[in-house]
Amino acid sequence: DQQVKQNSPSLSVQEGRISILNCDYTNSMFDYFLWYKKYPAEGPTFLISISSIKDKNEDGRFTVFLNKSAKHLSLHIVPSQPGDSAVYFCAASVVSGAQKLVFGQGTRLTINP
Amino acid sequence: DVKVTQSSRYLVKRTGEKVFLECVQDMDHENMFWYRQDPGLGLRLIYFSYDVKMKEKGDIPEGYSVSREKKERFSLILESASTNQTSMYLCASSNPGPTRKQFFGPGTRLTVL
Repeated sequence: DQQVKQNSPSLSVQEGRISILNCDYTNSMFDYFLWYKKYPAEGPTFLISISSIKDKNEDGRFTVFLNKSAKHLSLHIVPSQPGDSAVYFCAASVVSGAQKLVFGQGTRLTINP
Repeated sequence: DVKVTQSSRYLVKRTGEKVFLECVQDMDHENMFWYRQDPGLGLRLIYFSYDVKMKEKGDIPEGYSVSREKKERFSLILESASTNQTSMYLCASSNPGPTRKQFFGPGTRLTVL
């Protein structure tokens, strides 16, 4: 039972354009969402997050949008740069003791020059 | 910056061997996690710990056990390694709080022959 889904395994975008990565979730108890970026042979690094009380959070070139009614979030990267080429994971969390994260399958983003 | 270190970057073991994966964090985090990452499946939680000597099963605990004798150290044990445990193993740590952010180590690529 995949509670967090990233339905696009890969995405290719031209440098300078917008990259949009999507994520859907099924558990309405999730109240916090995070995006991680992962390069090969490295651990994931935190990128940006959003609480369920907001619908948008922005940090430089990165913006996360949350649509609670649709149980959907997206990550926008503008403008896309070659260094953005990586695997992106969305994750969701409920308030609980250890605050576990549930991850999606990941989307491999390739930025083409 | 938080640092999470893992004992080995690459490990090759034989079927039936007992395997120990070590993880150490230097930021006095209460929570520690072990994940495995497989293509198309994202990060799946094996075990986590919210305090010394406390542990809880994640989504895929079968074939694994863990040990947390000290706050900074969380060990993953494969009692009898099997080929289907060939994977990338990622350790993470966090503190309880509003951000839910977990900090990851670089990962251990385990191959079981």
